[in-house]
Amino acid sequence: GNSVTQMEGPVTLSEEAFLTINCTYTATGYPSLFWYVQYPGEGLQLLLKATKADDKGSNKGFEATYRKETTSFHLEKGSVQVSDSAVYFCALISGGSNYKLTFGKGTLLTVNP
Amino acid sequence: NAGVTQTPKFQVLKTGQSMTLQCAQDMNHNSMYWYRQDPGMGLRLIYYSASEGTTDKGEVPNGYNVSRLNKREFSLRLESAAPSQTSVYFCASSESSGDKTPLHFGNGTRLTVT
Repeated sequence: GNSVTQMEGPVTLSEEAFLTINCTYTATGYPSLFWYVQYPGEGLQLLLKATKADDKGSNKGFEATYRKETTSFHLEKGSVQVSDSAVYFCALISGGSNYKLTFGKGTLLTVNP
Repeated sequence: NAGVTQTPKFQVLKTGQSMTLQCAQDMNHNSMYWYRQDPGMGLRLIYYSASEGTTDKGEVPNGYNVSRLNKREFSLRLESAAPSQTSVYFCASSESSGDKTPLHFGNGTRLTVT
């Protein structure tokens, strides 16, 4: 079956530090890949996505590149802010339907001033 | 800009009690979903409704029932609550069930079963 593996958290960084959250996947076919973010007390929001190999998704200074050869979709940001503190979820869809969305376990990021 | 609204925000039940979690969206979306979120488990799909009038089981449907009341509303019912159903429940909607339309989530209902 499909699965998503994210790096274990929590991750604690200082403001302006570089962020990487690793994500690897196992899926049949050619999945679409997503990063969702959950701010404290809120539901998940789509952060970025990529639908085919070598695509780069980007939003709010975050980037992730769909790497088919390494089955990875690592999230990066060059300079984090306190407001980026949240839980980040990597996810995939294989088969073209939203009800087949598979989530990773989530990574808690805390950014200190 | 209400988006997806869930009620209640918090609920405590005793084992064996029943309750209904309510969800409504005002984006004219066709598809709606119920997830549960448990520590270290990510989100798991309980039930979904690809369009008004249809519902289907997700990954973890046991102990739950759903009703797609109309295009806007999708409720989740626990007939006889168990401690294993202690979780945070999220409702979501999307324009369609295809993967090109993103999910929009509500802010969740935190349920404790004692």
